[in-house]
Amino acid sequence: EAQVTQNPRYLITVTGKKLTVTCSQNMNHEYMSWYRQDPGLGLRQIYYSMNVEVTDKGDVPEGYKVSRKEKRNFPLILESPSPNQTSLYFCASSSRADRNTGELFFGEGSRLTVL
Amino acid sequence: SQKIEQNSEALNIQEGKTATLTCNYTNYSPAYLQWYRQDPGRGPVFLLLIRENEKEKRKERLKVTFDTTLKQSLFHITASQPADSATYLCAPVDPGGYNKLIFGAGTRLAVHP
Repeated sequence: EAQVTQNPRYLITVTGKKLTVTCSQNMNHEYMSWYRQDPGLGLRQIYYSMNVEVTDKGDVPEGYKVSRKEKRNFPLILESPSPNQTSLYFCASSSRADRNTGELFFGEGSRLTVL
Repeated sequence: SQKIEQNSEALNIQEGKTATLTCNYTNYSPAYLQWYRQDPGRGPVFLLLIRENEKEKRKERLKVTFDTTLKQSLFHITASQPADSATYLCAPVDPGGYNKLIFGAGTRLAVHP
């Protein structure tokens, strides 16, 4: 089954404790992206990647890092989480062959709470 | 700056009626516009795409219109069902802006039996 898998789905952590949210897709997609979703603000893009070793900032990259060492994986790293990073996070992927449609496939989301 | 406006108030309609959701955008010249459905706590799911040279697109009970003069897209669900209750997001895409897909905040639709 084609899917985007995120882990963990739920996490409660404390300020300053480094954490990584993993994202993996099995569709051989070149493009991957991370979003955060907050009430009233909608989905905001954090980082995206056009292919292996190619990443770029979205609209809200501060406090986050990403890497793309393999095509299928695109982890989101919070080096020193703060309470304002409490949010619902989504990973998404798309095929470059679908650039004309740009259909994004989303993961199920990771709800992060930083105390 | 680019802005996407969707009605933040929930739309409540009776089962069987047509639901119409609005997406307005400013400072965009989109090559196409996408619509997604999102259920509570779940990831958005792609529904439809309409291109700038298409006035209307249909898929089963869904219909999307795109007016580049008004800078507006309308999303219609005919013969609505309680299962259509969800939040619907729009995302206009500029030429070359594919990499940074930006979404509206969405409109929540509630279809009552």
